[in-house]
Amino acid sequence: DAGITQSPRHKVTETGTPVTLRCHQTENHRYMYWYRQDPGHGLRLIHYSYGVKDTDKGEVSDGYSVSRSKTEDFLLTLESATSSQTSVYFCASFSRRTDTQYFGPGTRLTVL
Amino acid sequence: KNEVEQSPQNLTAQEGEFITINCSYSVGISALHWLQQHPGGGIVSLFMLSSGKKKHGRLIATINIQEKHSSLHITASHPRDSAVYICAVRVRTGNQFYFGTGTSLTVIP
Repeated sequence: DAGITQSPRHKVTETGTPVTLRCHQTENHRYMYWYRQDPGHGLRLIHYSYGVKDTDKGEVSDGYSVSRSKTEDFLLTLESATSSQTSVYFCASFSRRTDTQYFGPGTRLTVL
Repeated sequence: KNEVEQSPQNLTAQEGEFITINCSYSVGISALHWLQQHPGGGIVSLFMLSSGKKKHGRLIATINIQEKHSSLHITASHPRDSAVYICAVRVRTGNQFYFGTGTSLTVIP
């Protein structure tokens, strides 16, 4: 399996504070993704990246920004957290060679 | 509008039963993936399909491209198969994925 980690794994924060989640992969995959998972919804794409400094918005990108300065790292920032952003966040990388997504362990974020 | 629909949403089975989970999609795809998510949250890829059928142990996945439908079958189900099974499609026009809401399977001993 691809080595893909997320940090932190759990975070509790207050409304209005900025939050940054980190995703790190060791497989040199070009494509990386941030999803959120909420009850009653499938995984929904927040932002994705198709290379260093190349990113694009997904279906639920409002209130989120991303950065990718190195192939291995993909950061998700909540500029000013709101309670609606309480969720479990998953990072994934995609191998075109195996046509497989590899998921991180998830970050449980609670915004009070 | 959901690009990927799964059924059933919840499924309870007795150990040993044959299980089928269905997935329908409405977009043009390059590939369809079946994922497994265990309690505790980790998500792993089970299958990637672009046509036909694949088998891995007791799991069999099929896809009908013309009908835009896939099925995941579990033969001789076991309590350790209890998990959420998620169908995902990679769209033909890029490297984005759409996901179903998942099927929560509980296998009772």
